[in-house]
Parts: sequence; structure tokens; C-alpha cells
Amino acid sequence: KQEVTQIPAALSVPEGENLVLNCSFTDSAIYNLQWFRQDPGKGLTSLLLIQSSQREQTSGRLNASLDKSSGRSTLYIAASQPGDSATYLCAVSDSGGFKTIFGAGTRLFVKA
Amino acid sequence: GAGVSQSPSNKVTEKGKDVELRCDPISGHTALYWYRQSLGQGLEFLIYFQGNSAPDKSGLPSDRFSAERTGGSVSTLTIQRTQQEDSAVYLCASSLWTGSSYEQYFGPGTRLTVT
Repeated sequence: KQEVTQIPAALSVPEGENLVLNCSFTDSAIYNLQWFRQDPGKGLTSLLLIQSSQREQTSGRLNASLDKSSGRSTLYIAASQPGDSATYLCAVSDSGGFKTIFGAGTRLFVKA
Repeated sequence: GAGVSQSPSNKVTEKGKDVELRCDPISGHTALYWYRQSLGQGLEFLIYFQGNSAPDKSGLPSDRFSAERTGGSVSTLTIQRTQQEDSAVYLCASSLWTGSSYEQYFGPGTRLTVT
């Protein structure tokens, strides 16, 4: 049974810091891994999707890496801003590509 | 274009009543997913539909939960004889094959409160 763990559960940093959020999963037979952002009381916004054959994806100040064999992914946020404050969720889809298991999330607070 | 929509946005019901939650996916998306997010928790997979294939119901927590997808578009999640532990935000997502993967797009959710 796939289990997804995110560390840390919460993080508070001053504006401008570079930071890394971690995600690990127990079953390496995944189709893809997706990072989402969730703002309080809102739905989820997709940030980056990495296919199982890829090593990383980049979008603006965000970079996500994937090491499928070790069951790990990291989300790197450069030059953090107060607007980055949100909960970040990691999700892996099984080998069929559909059934998706989420981690509990990392709650990020960026102080101005 | 229009995103995934869900209705109602909020639902308060009494314990023991049945409720129906609706999801309208993005037009043309072939896959549709339901998740549940309890207070302070991550998302829990419930069920997904893909095209004409049989749905994967492996995440449904009990036989009080069921879902349908009519005409390959709109989906309804039904909870019978609601219990207080069913209180949560129910999120729907849809996806389309992009040629390399299925990226999920989420609706705003339905907040269900069972009193």
C-alpha cells in the first residue's frame, strides 16, 4: 500500500530565504508525482508534475526533483515571498496513472 | 475556460440523512476523481472514473458511499445515512491525457457538516 510522507509538517521562514520541502513514498512503481499548493478554504492548484521517467521540473522560482528508486521528491522554492504562504501537497499516482495518494502536506509561512 | 465546478459549496445535514454532491469536470476531460479532506488532514482518495472503464472504488470508506458519472461528464457522490465522521471537504478533480501524463485540476470543494 502506497504511503506518502511530507517533512516538515510546518515551516516558518523569513522572506527571501531559499527552502526545500521533502516528500517520500514507499512504493516506487509510480506513474507520476505532482506538487500542489492549497490556500486556506480553497481548492488545490497544480504547481509541477514530474513523470516517472523524469528527474526534475522547473517553473519560475520552483524546482521539483524526483528520485524514483529511493522514493523521494523535493520541492525547492527560491527567494521565498509572503505570497508563497500556503500548504504544499505532494501526490503520487500509481502505475496505472490514476489512483493518487497524497501526503499530509507542509504548511509554509513566509514572514515579511 | 471554465474549471472544475462543484455544488453545493456548503452543505449542512442531520445525522442519518442522505446527501448528494455534484461535480462538473472540465469539458473534454476523460478522468474524474473524488477525494475527501478531513479537518487538518491530507486528501484521501475515494474513487476515480476513466472513460468507459469500470471505476476504481477502492478508496470508498464504506458501502454508504457511492458515486456515478453520467454520460462521461457530470458526477454525483452520494452518502447515505450520514454520520458525524463524514464531515469533511469533498474535492473533485478531472484530468485529460496530455500526451505524456494526466495532470489533475481541482474544484473548490463541497464542505459537508453533519450535525
